[in-house]
Amino acid sequence: DVKVTQSSRYLVKRTGEKVFLECVQDMDHENMFWYRQDPGLGLRLIYFSYDVKMKEKGDIPEGYSVSREKKERFSLILESASTNQTSMYLCASSLVLRGSIYNEQFFGPGTRLTVL
Amino acid sequence: AQKVTQAQTEISVVEKEDVTLDCVYETRDTTYYLFWYKQPPSGELVFLIRRNSFDEQNEISGRYSWNFQKSTSSFNFTITASQVVDSAVYFCALSEVTGANSKLTFGKGITLSVRP
Repeated sequence: DVKVTQSSRYLVKRTGEKVFLECVQDMDHENMFWYRQDPGLGLRLIYFSYDVKMKEKGDIPEGYSVSREKKERFSLILESASTNQTSMYLCASSLVLRGSIYNEQFFGPGTRLTVL
Repeated sequence: AQKVTQAQTEISVVEKEDVTLDCVYETRDTTYYLFWYKQPPSGELVFLIRRNSFDEQNEISGRYSWNFQKSTSSFNFTITASQVVDSAVYFCALSEVTGANSKLTFGKGITLSVRP
């Protein structure tokens, strides 16, 4: 079974702090994704990565950066946390697109971040 | 641009009722994939089904069934004889392929409450 783990289920930080959210997957997936989930807005893609050291902006990258130094690990960084970044953050991974098969994404349990 | 519309935001039914969750999508791609995910109160999104644009056959899996109609750009999900354990947020998603990479566009989700 694919397992995607996230470093914390709940996190409380103060405005201006640098925040690291870690995600690890154990199935050798090439693609990794970071989403945030807010009531009434669904899931919105922040960043994704299709290979080590590669990254692509999603729909809402402002205020975030990412790091992928190893294939299994994808980190989301809030350089200076703000209250509007209070949200649920979800990490996902998937196999790369092969031929005409688009592979489903597997999700971690989420990190609920509160910025005070 | 890709778009997924889940017009229903909250649905409440009594156990054993049938319920249909609607999903309408927009895409210019000729090849695409549609997905449904379930997010129970624990928070982790669980993959339910993937359907590609060339396969319009309906699918049934136990109490779950999916109706894909390209003519109306819809991919609806029906739960027959609902149970309390079906209470969750359900997301419909659409693939977007850009070169060798791919990502998902999610709808805003439908919160289903099944009362005993």
